[in-house]
Amino acid sequence: EAGVAQSPRYKIIEKRQSVAFWCNPISGHATLYWYQQILGQGPKLLIQFQNNGVVDDSQLPKDRFSAERLKGVDSTLKIQPAKLEDSAVYLCASSSRYQETQYFGPGTRLLVL
Amino acid sequence: GQNIDQPTEMTATEGAIVQINCTYQTSGFNGLFWYQQHAGEAPTFLSYNVLDGLEEKGRFSSFLSRSKGYSYLLLKELQMKDSASYLCAVRDASSGTYKYIFGTGTRLKVLA
Repeated sequence: EAGVAQSPRYKIIEKRQSVAFWCNPISGHATLYWYQQILGQGPKLLIQFQNNGVVDDSQLPKDRFSAERLKGVDSTLKIQPAKLEDSAVYLCASSSRYQETQYFGPGTRLLVL
Repeated sequence: GQNIDQPTEMTATEGAIVQINCTYQTSGFNGLFWYQQHAGEAPTFLSYNVLDGLEEKGRFSSFLSRSKGYSYLLLKELQMKDSASYLCAVRDASSGTYKYIFGTGTRLKVLA
């Protein structure tokens, strides 16, 4: 079974620029998560989708971050405009109610200069 | 509120046993997870406890006490490749969906 796919793997941008990340979850997984992991910290949930609906976006900085999962499969996370403190790894994960855990993609490492 | 505490760093010797503790507070506990994360990589699932007691998986074991809000991950016969961060995460179901709350991770260094 293919795992969670993410792209790009690395991205360097300047502050105030825009960036988008893409995630393709494991086939059949209804729940998709986007996490932000700052160096030396644990992952922090940004947004959680159940199929194409948002179930939790309480920690998403909505003035600059947006995410969508239009057909209940792939998802994109966008930052516009980026700030220096957005430098982090952005992890996508997916889960199924039939499995005991969530599975993570390789992450996108973002550096904002 | 929700809170997870675990030590920031630990050091142990190859071949030894190490125990990484985790305490948590959450309103809708639905399971405790341990993940391993090597530097620059994504977290990978190690273990899952939802009932009190010990779960053993080869060299790794995880214990849970729900009444104490406490878990530990036990790593036996340490190998150099076990040098990584170990993340404790609680699954909370109080909102009607599963939500994972992570601790900051414990960075384990295994010395030869």
